[in-house]
Amino acid sequence: GENVEQHPSTLSVQEGDSAVIKCTYSDSASNYFPWYKQELGKGPQLIIDIRSNVGEKKDQRIAVTLNKTAKHFSLHITETQPEDSAVYFCAASRTGNQFYFGTGTSLTVIP
Amino acid sequence: NAGVTQTPKFQVLKTGQSMTLQCAQDMNHEYMSWYRQDPGMGLRLIHYSVGAGITDQGEVPNGYNVSRSTTEDFPLRLLSAAPSQTSVYFCASSYDSGLAAAGELFFGEGSRLTVL
Repeated sequence: GENVEQHPSTLSVQEGDSAVIKCTYSDSASNYFPWYKQELGKGPQLIIDIRSNVGEKKDQRIAVTLNKTAKHFSLHITETQPEDSAVYFCAASRTGNQFYFGTGTSLTVIP
Repeated sequence: NAGVTQTPKFQVLKTGQSMTLQCAQDMNHEYMSWYRQDPGMGLRLIHYSVGAGITDQGEVPNGYNVSRSTTEDFPLRLLSAAPSQTSVYFCASSYDSGLAAAGELFFGEGSRLTVL
């Protein structure tokens, strides 16, 4: 099956700086790549997703890039704020029914 | 709008006991799934369903059973609990299934299970 690796496992940034989280995947047939944010004690929530026919997608301060040749995708958060502190998960899917998640990145934004 | 509701939120079991984690959604979603979340391992898919009467195995199905008799409910059964099943369990639903329709998974708030 698919193997998704995520780095770094922890990340601390100063408020206002940018944060980048990277994921690689093993199944070249994967076509859908969502990112989820999980706050303490809650379930994950989708923040952005990208499909294989698109190289980059932006939504305000959040952007995702996809390199299908290298089989990696990244989450970029600009102008970080304390409320961005959370655990972020990347995921990959080739069927839309089975999702393979990375191991998570704990992001801390220091005021 | 309740979304995805999981019960119970916390449960302690002894080895060998059985129990059912309940999941209900009120969004008329066809796709429902169960994940377990363990430290350092992310979320791993246990079972999923693309509609009433249809279930399939995910990445880590051993020790768990599911059924989908209605669109709204997708219970997860542990027939004989083991310490290795100590975890946080999340139910998630989506409007549709399949790659063309792949979209947002809506997660419940989780059920923390401890097996002694």
